[in-house]
Amino acid sequence: DAGVIQSPRHEVTEMGQEVTLRCKPISGHNSLFWYRQTMMRGLELLIYFNNNVPIDDSGMPEDRFSAKMPNASFSTLKIQPSEPRDSAVYFCASTWTGVISPLHFGNGTRLTVT
Amino acid sequence: DAKTTQPPSMDCAEGRAANLPCNHSTISGNEYVYWYRQIHSQGPQYIIHGLKNNETNEMASLIITEDRKSSTLILPHATLRDTAVYYCIVRVGHGSSNTGKLIFGQGTTLQVKP
Repeated sequence: DAGVIQSPRHEVTEMGQEVTLRCKPISGHNSLFWYRQTMMRGLELLIYFNNNVPIDDSGMPEDRFSAKMPNASFSTLKIQPSEPRDSAVYFCASTWTGVISPLHFGNGTRLTVT
Repeated sequence: DAKTTQPPSMDCAEGRAANLPCNHSTISGNEYVYWYRQIHSQGPQYIIHGLKNNETNEMASLIITEDRKSSTLILPHATLRDTAVYYCIVRVGHGSSNTGKLIFGQGTTLQVKP
């Protein structure tokens, strides 16, 4: 299995631009999580999906952030418009619910907003 | 989910056992103890988890006290590649109505020295 795949690995954009981060979970997993990591705040849970349905988006910082999961094999996290304070590493993770199983993380997207 | 307390940093000599403590005094009966680690610039990596019995796998051992209020992760023969941030997390066992989200604290930075 290729694991959780995130793209792009690095993204540099200017303030005000739209940014879309992508995630392909492990095949067969039915829960997907988006995290953000900064030096100041550590790893923060932004949103998670179960069976493609958003369950809890209370960690999404503001309306500029949105996430979708159109099918079991793909999810996006969009920031529009982006701001310098959105600079962080964004991680996607997936797991299988119904049994006790760990989350598997991708290698993240490092976002820099100038 | 219950909160955990970990020392911010620890050192360990290469080849020696690394013992990483974690306090989770408010853990509930249905909460598992999970350990993850994050090597610089990579996504968090699952190590081990347990409910009340001690657990061992190819990476580490997990010792949970009888009252379940604390645990210790043991890396039996630490190598330089084990230098990372180690996170102890308590997580409700997930089922059809619970996706078992992980909430990360600040973790312990383990430095393995030659």
